[in-house]
Parts: sequence; C-alpha cells; structure tokens
Amino acid sequence: DAGVIQSPRHEVTEMGQEVTLRCKPISGHNSLFWYRQTMMRGLELLIYFNNNVPIDDSGMPEDRFSAKMPNASFSTLKIQPSEPRDSAVYFCASSGLNYEQYFGPGTRLTVT
Amino acid sequence: GDSVTQMEGPVTLSEEACLTINCTYTATGYPSLFWYVQYPGEGLQLLLKATKADDKGSNKGFEATYRKETTSFHLEKGSVQVSDSAVYFCALDDNAGNMLTFGGGTRLMVKP
Repeated sequence: DAGVIQSPRHEVTEMGQEVTLRCKPISGHNSLFWYRQTMMRGLELLIYFNNNVPIDDSGMPEDRFSAKMPNASFSTLKIQPSEPRDSAVYFCASSGLNYEQYFGPGTRLTVT
Repeated sequence: GDSVTQMEGPVTLSEEACLTINCTYTATGYPSLFWYVQYPGEGLQLLLKATKADDKGSNKGFEATYRKETTSFHLEKGSVQVSDSAVYFCALDDNAGNMLTFGGGTRLMVKP
C-alpha cells in the first residue's frame, strides 16, 4: 500500500488567495483526520470524518476553513481567503478498525 | 477532558546513552496509549502501543509500560543512536471513538 498520500507537499501563496490541500487515505480505512502543526501550538486536530461524514469539526479555526470528503478515497481541506497565520504543516491521517492512525507526509503551507 | 502531558525538550544525549521520556495522562475509562515518532520533514509514525494496564509495547528497541496506578506511559530505550533523533509524541485513545489526544511532543537530539 502506498500509505496516505497528500498533495501538494509544499504550497506558497499570497494572502487572500484560496488554498486547497488534498488527501488520499489508505484503501479500506474508514476514518480520516486533518491536523495542523505549528511551533507555537503543536499538533492540532482540525476535523475528522467517519465513513465520509464529518463527525467533529470543533478544531476548525474559523469559517475560512472548510473540509470535504466526497468519497472514501479523497478529501480536501480548503482555506479561503488564506492569511499569514495559516502558515503551518497540514497532515492528513487515516485509520481502520484497529484505530491506529497512519499519517501522510504533510503539506507545508506558507502564506506571504 | 482527556489530556496528555510530556516532559519538555529538547532532550540531548550522547550515542549509547539511556533514554527516558516521561508521559502522564488524564482520562476517564480505560484508554489505549501510543507513542508516535516524527523524523525531520516527515509525518508521524506509530512507534508502539499498549491497550490495557500492565501491557508493554515495544519496537525498534523502545519500550513503554502502561501503568494505570501512576497514569503513566514512559518511553525508554537502553542505548540510543544518532538515527533516533526525532520528535516523540505520547497519545491516548479513549476507545469511545477514533480521536487521539496528543501530548506536546519531546524533541530528542542524539550526538555522535
């Protein structure tokens, strides 16, 4: 299995632009998680899906952030409009019935 | 709510030294406990886990024992290598859902 796939690996954009991060979970996993990691705040859970349905989005910072999971093999995290304080590494993770989470390599987002 | 507390880093050791990274938790019920490792530029990887009291998880020379009486899950290794340099995260899953609660992470630096 290729593991959790994230794209792009690096994204540099200007303030005010829309940013879309993509994730392909491990085949057969039924839960998907989006995390954000910064030096100041550490690792934060933004949202998680179970069977493609959002279960807990209490970590989504504000309305500028949205996440979708249209099918079992694809999810997106969108930031519109982006701000410099959104600069971070964004991780996607997936898990199956044993609840062990497998992380992708992350997307490093820089908003200038 | 659930919480995980780790010793703050960085921890700097010489090669072949003994390692202990402390982790304590607060949770209702009987959580499963995990150690994840993050190498530079990568996502988190599951290092080891324990699902019930007195269980010992082990992998790659690392060990941790689930101590319910002290609510601890300290990570140990008898002889560290330069390649062990990474950030280590303690986490718990309350077994009521899929969500992990992470500690703040501890950076380990091993010098030759």
